[in-house]
Amino acid sequence: EVHLVESGGGLVQPGGSLRLSCAASGFTFSDYGMNWVRQAPGKGLEWLSYISGDNAAVYYADSVRGRFTISRDNAKNSLYLQVNSLRVEDTALYYCARDLAKWGRGTLVTVSS
Amino acid sequence: EIVMTQTPLSLSVTPGQAASISCKSSRSLLHSDGKTYLCWYLQRPGQSPQLLIYEVSNRFSGVPDRFSGSGSGTDFTLKISRVEAEDVGVYYCMQSIQLYTFGQGTKLEIK
Repeated sequence: EVHLVESGGGLVQPGGSLRLSCAASGFTFSDYGMNWVRQAPGKGLEWLSYISGDNAAVYYADSVRGRFTISRDNAKNSLYLQVNSLRVEDTALYYCARDLAKWGRGTLVTVSS
Repeated sequence: EIVMTQTPLSLSVTPGQAASISCKSSRSLLHSDGKTYLCWYLQRPGQSPQLLIYEVSNRFSGVPDRFSGSGSGTDFTLKISRVEAEDVGVYYCMQSIQLYTFGQGTKLEIK
C-alpha cells in the first residue's frame, strides 16, 4: 500500500526557512514523479512543484520559483521541499503527492511573527 | 497559466438525487498524444484530496461507478448519479497539460 508521510512543518517567522520532508513507502520510489501541493486555511489547492523519478526534470509554480527548492533522495525514499524567505501568505498545509494520484496527510506551515 | 473555472461553487443535494459540476479551462486540454489531461478530485472534510477521475472520464481505482466524467477541449463535467452522504466535500478539477492548475473547488452538501 502506498504510504506518504510529510514532516518538517511548524511555526516560523516571516523571512525564515524550513525543510519539509516526505517519507514514501509501498512502491518503487524512483519510478515515480513526485509533487508538492499546498492548501491555505479554508482555501483551495495550489500546485507548487514537481520532480521526476530520475531527478532530470523539475518544475515550479511562478508563485514559489526562486524561493522553494524541490529535491529527492531515491536511496532514502524521500522527497524534500526547502522553503525560504517565507511570507505570511505561505501559511498552509503542505502535501506531497505521488503523480498526484496518491497523497499524504500534509504538514502544517505557519508563518507568523 | 491555464485558468480552471468551476461552477457552481456550492450545491446542496438530496440523497439519491443527481449532481453535476462544470469545469472550464482557458485553453484546450487536448494533447497531441490524443489524450485530454483533465481530472477530478474529492476532498472530504478533514482529509487529503483523493483522485476520482483522470483523463476526463476514467475512474481511478476503487471509485464507485456513480461518478462519471465527460467533456472535451475546454468544457468538462463531473456527474454523480445518486448522491450519498459520503460524497460530501469539495470537488476540484485539475489540468495537467501545462504543469498543473486546480479549479476553485465546488462544495457539495447534503440537504
